[in-house]
Amino acid sequence: AQTVTQSQPEMSVQEAETVTLSCTYDTSESNYYLFWYKQPPSRQMILVIRQEAYKQQNATENRFSVNFQKAAKSFSLKISDSQLGDTAMYFCAFTSVGGGATNKLIFGTGTLLAVQP
Amino acid sequence: ETGVTQSPTHLIKTRGQQVTLRCSSQSGHNTVSWYQQALGQGPQFIFQYYREEENGRGNFPPRFSGLQFPNYSSELNVNALELDDSALYLCASSFGGRAGTDTQYFGPGTRLTVL
Repeated sequence: AQTVTQSQPEMSVQEAETVTLSCTYDTSESNYYLFWYKQPPSRQMILVIRQEAYKQQNATENRFSVNFQKAAKSFSLKISDSQLGDTAMYFCAFTSVGGGATNKLIFGTGTLLAVQP
Repeated sequence: ETGVTQSPTHLIKTRGQQVTLRCSSQSGHNTVSWYQQALGQGPQFIFQYYREEENGRGNFPPRFSGLQFPNYSSELNVNALELDDSALYLCASSFGGRAGTDTQYFGPGTRLTVL
């Protein structure tokens, strides 16, 4: 069974600084996608970034980038130039792709990020 | 483009009652997934509907059931409510369903409290 582990329950960063959130996962699948979702206090889950496992190049979206290490099954999120609006719970998620699999998302327990002014 | 919407926003029920939660998928999407998020936890997959058929189910008892309609909107029904059913229920829509590769987009959720 696939699992997703986020070992940092809470993190804090100063505005304008860089922070990295960690995520590891376990799977025997070769084809899968990984995601980071953000859930602000208003609770709507918002997609931050997505990585296809078959792509070697790390995904980037503006100030957000990932460090995807397939062999190590590691998928960390780097937030550059942190802003107050980045304060939220961040979830790492995994989904299998292909072979008739339901593309259900398997989530980690989340990391609560607080950006301090 | 209309995003995913859910109703109601909040709901309070008593143990043993039944509840129906509703979700309208994003325009162009044909797949709806439901998740339960307990306080302080990550969401847990309940089930997914693709073109009006159940397309996978998580570890939830049969008293959790669902429907998807021809317009791809969906309902989550929970019978015989238990205290542990208190949670945020999230609906997510996507395109492609079975082995789909599309990203899931979430609605704002329904907060269910069971007393």
